Amino acid sequence: NAGVTQTPKFRILKIGQSMTLQCAQDMNHNYMYWYRQDPGMGLKLIYYSVGAGITDKGEVPNGYNVSRSTTEDFPLRLELAAPSQTSVYFCASRVTGGFDEQYFGPGTRLTVT
Amino acid sequence: QQQVKQSPQSLIVQKGGISIINCAYENTAFDYFPWYQQFPGKGPALLIAIRPDVSEKKEGRFTISFNKSAKQFSLHIMDSQPGDSATYFCAASNRAGTASKLTFGTGTRLQVTL
Repeated sequence: NAGVTQTPKFRILKIGQSMTLQCAQDMNHNYMYWYRQDPGMGLKLIYYSVGAGITDKGEVPNGYNVSRSTTEDFPLRLELAAPSQTSVYFCASRVTGGFDEQYFGPGTRLTVT
Repeated sequence: QQQVKQSPQSLIVQKGGISIINCAYENTAFDYFPWYQQFPGKGPALLIAIRPDVSEKKEGRFTISFNKSAKQFSLHIMDSQPGDSATYFCAASNRAGTASKLTFGTGTRLQVTL
């Protein structure tokens, strides 16, 4: 199993540009999450999904959108990039039920200039 | 309140020493307390976790101590090794409802020196 994969690894965007961060998992996990990690701030939840077709906002959803058309994929969309969105983005997944062990991808480092 | 407060922000320990990282929470509905370890350039990975029905959990050199009345929990790394140098995050979740979500502390950067 590849686990949770994320593309791209690095990206530089200009202010106002749009992009999609890709996330895929091959563990048949229903739950998927998007976090952003800023220095000294821990991980903040952006959006999450409990299954295909079901998404919900986390703690910091403004400026982002998600979709979940399949169990495997959970892309994160930035529509109008702003410098405040410069961060490292992590996708995670977990099984339904049980304890909340989340499996994280390797991250995407995004810089908006 | 959903906050989880973590300290210290950074920690330097000599090889063979004990590393201690502390976390405090406010929401008494939290019922699962994991610690995640993150190496530079990698995603966090689950290290060890505890439920509030026990006061301590040990896995090898890593121990979680849990004080329910004080709403505090801590990670102890015994015989710290240079390979333990990483950032450690405490977290908490409330599994009630359809989608439990982790609330993370702000992280502790541990450096183990020779």
